[in-house]
Amino acid sequence: AQSVTQLGSHVSVSEGALVLLRCNYSSSVPPYLFWYVQYPNQGLQLLLKYTSAATLVKGINGFEAEFKKSETSFHLTKPSAHMSDAAEYFCAVITNNAGNMLTFGGGTRLMVKP
Amino acid sequence: NAGVMQNPRHLVRRRGQEARLRCSPMKGHSHVYWYRQLPEEGLKFMVYLQKENIIDESGMPKERFSAEFPKEGPSILRIQQVVRGDSAAYFCASSPSAASYEQYFGPGTRLTVT
Repeated sequence: AQSVTQLGSHVSVSEGALVLLRCNYSSSVPPYLFWYVQYPNQGLQLLLKYTSAATLVKGINGFEAEFKKSETSFHLTKPSAHMSDAAEYFCAVITNNAGNMLTFGGGTRLMVKP
Repeated sequence: NAGVMQNPRHLVRRRGQEARLRCSPMKGHSHVYWYRQLPEEGLKFMVYLQKENIIDESGMPKERFSAEFPKEGPSILRIQQVVRGDSAAYFCASSPSAASYEQYFGPGTRLTVT
């Protein structure tokens, strides 16, 4: 079975500060990993994905994530937070032996202070 | 290229009524997924469909819920005899093939049961 844990349901940073959103996964087979962002009352937008190529993945809006197999982690980072980054972020996993369904973490709400 | 379309965006139903949620996938996409986001809970997979076939319905409640994706027209998620616990945001996602792990989400339908 696959699962995703996002540490910290709420993260608050100052504008210009580093953003770090944590994601750990559990999977018995190599996973495909994703980060999605959800703005209020909107759908999910794909930020970036890891599909067994480079372990450091760059996404949209200056976000990137690093796949670390030894730590079963896929943390999301951005060097400098912007007010427009305030949203909810979801980490998700797909594994070959579990069909094509995305299994999501509980989400992390990012707040950016001026 | 239009994205995934869902309608209605907001739906209010009284207990016992039927709710029909529609999803038109992106052009060229023949795979559709439905997810539900309950208040204070994460996003949960419900069902995965291809044209005229249900591939995986392991996340669907056993009663009152059904889904279809006909040869022509949108995918429909139907909830019969709605109860207050069905109040949630329902998201549809699409992908071009089973081999593509990237899913594109629609804006969601927010169902309120009164």
